[in-house]
Amino acid sequence: EAAVTQSPRNKVTVTGGNVTLSCRQTNSHNYMYWYRQDTGHGLRLIHYSYGAGNLQIGDVPDGYKATRTTQEDFFLLLELASPSQTSLYFCASSGDNSNERLFFGHGTKLSVL
Amino acid sequence: GDSVTQTEGLVTLTKGLPVMLNCTYQTTYSPFLFWYVQHLNEAPKLLLKSSTDNKRTEHQGFYATLHKSSSSFHLQKSSVQLSDSALYFCALRDRGSALGRLHFGAGTQLIVIP
Repeated sequence: EAAVTQSPRNKVTVTGGNVTLSCRQTNSHNYMYWYRQDTGHGLRLIHYSYGAGNLQIGDVPDGYKATRTTQEDFFLLLELASPSQTSLYFCASSGDNSNERLFFGHGTKLSVL
Repeated sequence: GDSVTQTEGLVTLTKGLPVMLNCTYQTTYSPFLFWYVQHLNEAPKLLLKSSTDNKRTEHQGFYATLHKSSSSFHLQKSSVQLSDSALYFCALRDRGSALGRLHFGAGTQLIVIP
């Protein structure tokens, strides 16, 4: 079974704080994604990537940066966290073909006080 | 651009009754549709998928048929169980861009009561 591991599982920070969420996949997938999940909004794409060094902007990128350092590792950076970024964050990976599903990590619950 | 619409935010049903969760989509390309299910405190996982027009696809008692004529991919089950209580997402794979992003609907929360 394909594996996507996120860390930390829970994070609390203060407004203006600096947060890095980590994601590692061992699926040899090219695509990696960061989503946030909020009630009533479903899963919204923040950033995604096709391979190391590649970055693409998603639908809700404001306030977020991302880096893909290797094929396995994808990071989401909140440099000046705000309460509006309190959310459940999911990382996912997938293969290249249209019919391939996303494999999700277990999520990181972030609270910005 | 591509989009997915799920019209019901919350569906509450008694165990044993049938259910249909609506999903319609918009795309200028040939679509690939997915249903994901998310149980409480878990990650979303694939329930079923299809790109074949008018062909029913089934998994774990759930089924859906892609109808390109009406841009729909509704999820159905003939008899819901308590364990079906979960959040259900319809999603469309973007074949138009070079980078295969997935567009999710807002999700439908299904609650099954005894």
